[in-house]
Amino acid sequence: GDSVTQMEGPVTLSEEAFLTINCTYTATGYPSLFWYVQYPGEGLQLLLKATKADDKGSNKGFEATYRKETTSFHLEKGSVQVSDSAVYFCASGGQAGTALIFGKGTTLSVSS
Amino acid sequence: SAVISQKPSRDICQRGTSLTIQCQVDSQVTMMFWYRQQPGQSLTLIATANQGSEATYESGFVIDKFPISRPNLTFSTLTVSNMSPEDSSIYLCSATPGGGRRTEAFFGQGTRLTVV
Repeated sequence: GDSVTQMEGPVTLSEEAFLTINCTYTATGYPSLFWYVQYPGEGLQLLLKATKADDKGSNKGFEATYRKETTSFHLEKGSVQVSDSAVYFCASGGQAGTALIFGKGTTLSVSS
Repeated sequence: SAVISQKPSRDICQRGTSLTIQCQVDSQVTMMFWYRQQPGQSLTLIATANQGSEATYESGFVIDKFPISRPNLTFSTLTVSNMSPEDSSIYLCSATPGGGRRTEAFFGQGTRLTVV
């Protein structure tokens, strides 16, 4: 079946460091891909998305590019802030009537 | 987009009792989804709730334990029945508006349940 694999955490960085969180997917078709963020004590918020190959999603300085050839959707940010500390989930799906498939989540901790 | 209101936001319950979680969407949606997120874990889909029909449960989840109602296109409830400490989790409601288009899912704020 379809699945999403993302790098294990926790990831600990200093403020202004470069961030990469790897995500790969397996799917029978061509899913949409998403990154969600969960701040402590809150629900999931959509961070960015891409609906087809070579699309780049971006938001709040975060970027991810839908790479069909490597079945990847890695999340990047050039300079992280303390306020970026959260759990990040990669997800695939988005077909009408079906639930998203989530990766296990990566905890990011940024220190000043 | 869609705004999803979920309540209660948290509760502490005695084992053996039941808790009903409510989920209200600010627009009509065909499908609503219920997830469980155990401490430090990812989201596990419990069931899919389609208006006008019985919910579809994932492997490992049964209707007697997690009955779901979906009386209309904007509302759903999940009941956690006969609770035990192992049911302590965050329960999340989700919906995917947009009809037939590929689109993102929106989430409620979650219900943090502790069973003692």
